[in-house]
Amino acid sequence: DARVTQTPRHKVTEMGQEVTMRCQPILGHNTVFWYRQTMMQGLELLAYFRNRAPLDDSGMPKDRFSAEMPDATLATLKIQPSEPRDSAVYFCASGLGQGAGNEQFFGPGTRLTVL
Amino acid sequence: EDQVTQSPEALRLQEGESSSLNCSYTVSGLRGLFWYRQDPGKGPEFLFTLYSAGEEKEKERLKATLTKKESFLHITAPKPEDSATYLCAVQAEWGAGSYQLTFGKGTKLSVIP
Repeated sequence: DARVTQTPRHKVTEMGQEVTMRCQPILGHNTVFWYRQTMMQGLELLAYFRNRAPLDDSGMPKDRFSAEMPDATLATLKIQPSEPRDSAVYFCASGLGQGAGNEQFFGPGTRLTVL
Repeated sequence: EDQVTQSPEALRLQEGESSSLNCSYTVSGLRGLFWYRQDPGKGPEFLFTLYSAGEEKEKERLKATLTKKESFLHITAPKPEDSATYLCAVQAEWGAGSYQLTFGKGTKLSVIP
């Protein structure tokens, strides 16, 4: 059963600490997305990759957030330093990235709490 | 800027009471409109993609329809297990290689036995 996996599922940290979230996309998918979900804003796109190359990271605070794809099976989202306002659920999604109606398949999310 | 507005924010139905959820959108050119279901503590689960006005898709008790300005998710004779937040998203037709989705804030559906 192919699915997107994310680790850790939960993370509690203190303000100023570095946080790294990891995602394994579905095998064969060549587009990977990072979203953040909060009650106030809903789902917001942070960054996305196609064939491991970053296509758009305009939704991400550049001074503290960074996203990378070291290889086709791993995407990372790093926050350094973390702040309380970063508390949210972070989702990774992957898709085939071709043609119209490119559906995305979401992982279970990482729930981040910054104290 | 692409915009997606979903209504109502929350909906309570008795089991068997059919209803519809609305998704209004503004996009320069629509490549696709997506419906997702999200259960508490889980990631969104893909339901449907609609591409053009007049298109309809069905899955069990759910039917999604699309016009040039909005989409409806019709729920026929809902059961308690249909309780979830339903998210609508649009994919715009701007620029080559544009695959990102813009999401609405969702409708939280509760089906009471």
